Amino acid sequence: DTGVSQDPRHKITKRGQNVTFRCDPISEHNRLYWYRQTLGQGPEFLTYFQNEAQLEKSRLLSDRFSAERPKGSFSTLEIQRTEQGDSAMYLCASSPRLGRETQYFGPGTRLLVL
Amino acid sequence: AQRVTQPEKLLSVFKGAPVELKCNYSYSGSPELFWYVQYSRQRLQLLLRHISRESIKGFTADLNKGETSFHLKKPFAQEEDSAMYYCALSGASGAAGNKLTFGGGTRVLVKP
Repeated sequence: DTGVSQDPRHKITKRGQNVTFRCDPISEHNRLYWYRQTLGQGPEFLTYFQNEAQLEKSRLLSDRFSAERPKGSFSTLEIQRTEQGDSAMYLCASSPRLGRETQYFGPGTRLLVL
Repeated sequence: AQRVTQPEKLLSVFKGAPVELKCNYSYSGSPELFWYVQYSRQRLQLLLRHISRESIKGFTADLNKGETSFHLKKPFAQEEDSAMYYCALSGASGAAGNKLTFGGGTRVLVKP
């Protein structure tokens, strides 16, 4: 499978713990996006990378959230001091650099904070 | 600001009946509209985009800028069309990198 991959697929953690998720985009895609999806809602944009540069962050991304994309390849999303409200599906997507291209989504990481 | 509204949370139709999923958007510029679909236990995937003007799996969608709508239609629903459908909007190119703004989704259930 050469699509977008995410790891882990599921994560259960206790409130206050730190968690880190990984996303591997399609290899030739320059752009990488993180979205969050809560139950009954559509995905909401969190942040965006073009190569290794983080170019936009949503107001949803509090100071407890940090994302990186070293070397413009895979990306990590870390949540520090998790709260129950962080429980959601975290989706990663990638797209080529050319204009408003289709975004290809990964399977997501489902986070449950107890 | 970008906003996408899907007024129906659930659409239940019989096999062979027409189905129409409504999508309205709010955007001051020239948007690009997409329909994404998520089948059970699968990832979100593109169904169609307005710029390509294709018919995918029998579905079509027309961008109506006057009514700011992008409704999805299929004349004869099939059981395999049962899925979650999301309408999404991408704004102008720029630093935002064409982030997608999604509607809340419509679950389609096609009954035999």
